Formats: sequence, C-alpha cells, structure tokens
Amino acid sequence: DIVMTQSPDSLAVSLGERATINCKSSQTILYTSNNKNYLAWYQQKPGQPPKLLIYWASIREFGVPDRFSGSGSGTDFTLTISSLQAEDVAVYYCQQYYTIPRTFGQGTKVEIK
Amino acid sequence: QITLKESGPTLVKSTQTLTLTCTFSGFSLSTNGMGVGWIRQPPGKALEWLALIHWDDDKRYSPSLKSRLAITKDTSRNQVVLQMTNMDPVDTATYYCAHRDDEGIFDVWGRGTLVTVSS
Repeated sequence: DIVMTQSPDSLAVSLGERATINCKSSQTILYTSNNKNYLAWYQQKPGQPPKLLIYWASIREFGVPDRFSGSGSGTDFTLTISSLQAEDVAVYYCQQYYTIPRTFGQGTKVEIK
Repeated sequence: QITLKESGPTLVKSTQTLTLTCTFSGFSLSTNGMGVGWIRQPPGKALEWLALIHWDDDKRYSPSLKSRLAITKDTSRNQVVLQMTNMDPVDTATYYCAHRDDEGIFDVWGRGTLVTVSS
C-alpha cells in the first residue's frame, strides 16, 4: 500500500496569513507516461463530507477560491492557503489515486490563531 | 448535477452484516469511466477507503477488509450496495459513498451515514 503522511497534524494561523500543509507518499505517484501526479486534496468541515479542492496535485476544482493552491511532484506535495479566511477552518486530507488501495493522509487540522 | 445519498441502519450488533445503499443521480454507472466508491471515517479519525465498483462491474476492495466486503451495482435503479460482514464495534464510523469520475477522482461525496456497532 502507498502510505500518505501529512505534516503537521495541526496548525494555527492568523487570519490573512499563509497556511502550508505537506503530504508525502511512500512511493512515487507520478505516472511518467502522462506526467501526471495522482494526488488530490480534500477539505472537511465539521459535520460535513469531504470536499474536493485540488486534483492532479495542482488543478483547482471548479468554484474553489484561488487562495488554495497545490504543488509538488513524485512523492512530495504541498497545499497552500495563501491568505487564511475564517471559513477555511477545517481538516485537510491528501489522497492518492495512483493505485489500489486508495489511501488518505491522516489529516491536518487548520485553526485560527 | 451529481448527487449521492447513503442509506441503511444506524445501529447494528456485533457479528451482524451491514448493508448500505448508495442512491445517486446525475450520472449513469453504465457510462464508460464512471464508478462509485465507499469510504468510512470513525469518529474523530481519518478517512479509510473501502471499495470501488466501475461501470464495467470491475470491483476493487481494501486488502485489509476484502474478506468482509461485497460491492454490487443496480444500474437501472442508480444504486450501489455495500455489504460488510461480521461487524465489530471498531467498525463504528460514518460511511460515505462517492462518485469516481473518469480520471479516477472522488469528486462528489454523499453526506454520509453514521453506523454504530454495539457489542
């Protein structure tokens, strides 16, 4: 199985400041034949299902604010919230869809400082 | 617009079999590339992928739970059913179904259903 490890487990950021979440896969999730990284980011607010934010490591889903961005390749990935808003308080998960079984990171809780 | 909704018992007893139904709209599971997956989340814990069924009836399971899971589809009724045998209190979780798009991404999720297993 591909193990997805996120860091940190939680972080507190002041409103308007940058939040950065890291995700590392235990093996590459870059498919060289199409040069795509099979990595998605989800946001989960309390009592709600996960919401897709980013796919192919860096493509924002339709309707996702541009303060959210994804980067990275191979085994190391980052989700950045450029200017944290109150509504961004949530738990964020990375997930690989390169292979079966699909695996998720353990989650990173983002709070307001 | 794609929507999914999970249904099933909220409480099951240890050793019983859980049967959950995902009823969806906005896509057809007979369309090339489509799929529906099941993912669960114990209270306060992370997401765990369970199973996936594709338009061509290809089925995939979590290796750690494969012996206990069965996923089926009813294309005419727009439903996917997940069965999990020999339930245990550690299986207490919110169970989600999600649409798998033709790139393999879980892009739309149902609201989930909380299943509690009593000993």
